[in-house]
Amino acid sequence: GAVVSQHPSRVICKSGTSVKIECRSLDFQATTMFWYRQFPKQSLMLMATSNEGSKATYEQGVEKDKFLINHASLTLSTLTVTSAHPEDSSFYICSAGLRGAHGGAFFGQGTRLTVV
Amino acid sequence: QKEVEQDPGPLSVPEGAIVSLNCTYSNSAFQYFMWYRQYSRKGPELLMYTYSSGNKEDGRFTAQVDKSSKYISLFIRDSQPSDSATYLCAPRGNQFYFGTGTSLTVIP
Repeated sequence: GAVVSQHPSRVICKSGTSVKIECRSLDFQATTMFWYRQFPKQSLMLMATSNEGSKATYEQGVEKDKFLINHASLTLSTLTVTSAHPEDSSFYICSAGLRGAHGGAFFGQGTRLTVV
Repeated sequence: QKEVEQDPGPLSVPEGAIVSLNCTYSNSAFQYFMWYRQYSRKGPELLMYTYSSGNKEDGRFTAQVDKSSKYISLFIRDSQPSDSATYLCAPRGNQFYFGTGTSLTVIP
């Protein structure tokens, strides 16, 4: 299957600072990438859909000024958590994929963010 | 009404047992149905997908979709301890709609 690489896998930051998470498609071009958030023992919650060269589409209730998404190339999308607070601590996962059924089907390894 | 309903378990079975994991969904327009396996603190891994109704088999895994009843199943034969993980069903429309996941433990 397609390979999606996410970095870093784990980050601890101080409250008030910003954190950038990278998501790369390694062996294909992804015009669309998805960003999810997952709390312990809960399912994936879609935060936003990232389209190459255009603004991301955010799900209801997700603050676009807090979670900045940039999709500058066909192989890279970034999520920046700005002015992080302890309640932003969570598992963040990106996905991408080929078109059709596999669009968005392959996930990165996830990033465990802890804000102290 | 939620798009996808999945029994969160946990489910615990002895090694070698047949496991049945199930989901129901509400949107009859869904055409693709994915199953993901997620190990603790890892991203989900695509296990199988089916298109429309019917069965699909891959080794010890069989995915089944019944669109008339909006019911999705994943069967695992001869379950192994390495199958211990959380399994998520994910019908696909314009986006994926994930179930809450069923936590499975296979006891040696």
